[in-house]
Amino acid sequence: ELKVEQNPLFLSMQEGKNYTIYCNYSTTSDRLYWYRQDPGKSLESLFVLLSNGAVKQEGRLMASLDTKARLSTLHITAAVHDLSATYFCAVDYAADKLIFGTGTRLQVFP
Amino acid sequence: GAVVSQHPSRVICKSGTSVKIECRSLDFQATTMFWYRQFPKQSLMLMATSNEGSKATYEQGVEKDKFLINHASLTLSTLTVTSAHPEDSSFYICSARGGGGLYGYTFGSGTRLTVV
Repeated sequence: ELKVEQNPLFLSMQEGKNYTIYCNYSTTSDRLYWYRQDPGKSLESLFVLLSNGAVKQEGRLMASLDTKARLSTLHITAAVHDLSATYFCAVDYAADKLIFGTGTRLQVFP
Repeated sequence: GAVVSQHPSRVICKSGTSVKIECRSLDFQATTMFWYRQFPKQSLMLMATSNEGSKATYEQGVEKDKFLINHASLTLSTLTVTSAHPEDSSFYICSARGGGGLYGYTFGSGTRLTVV
């Protein structure tokens, strides 16, 4: 059974600071996704990582994938309040379905 | 871009009644659709995978007779919560594979179900 764990589960950070969210998964997979969810809303796609060593960046967010370590990271640079949301990683299990991580609730304060 | 339409966005029903939620891919054909359930402040839990024209595959612990899934066409999947009870109150989200390219998953806007 595939398990996908994120840490931290909750992150409160000051504007302007940097931080990294970690996503560990238990079974081999070459595809990993990052999503953002605002309260009461559905998911917004952030990144799709398709191979070992993949790195993608959009604005203040950068995601990477290490398939050998079964680890993905989402790095936040110089956080701003608008980044406050819950972030999920999701692993493509056997190219068959997406299994979601536990989620990281990010709160950015002045 | 790929769009998945989910309706209704909110529904309140009485205990013991059934509720149907629709998920449509608007500009692409989705041979596979997925249904997730999300409780407050929790992650998305995959309930079932539906393939057009065949029976849905349910995840372990999901009651097949309670959560009926139909995928009658390449653009429509429905989830019916039968004999709903307050514990079925949750946020239900559908997803379709295919709209975002070979590796893409497109999500619906979700349905907030409240059973009173």
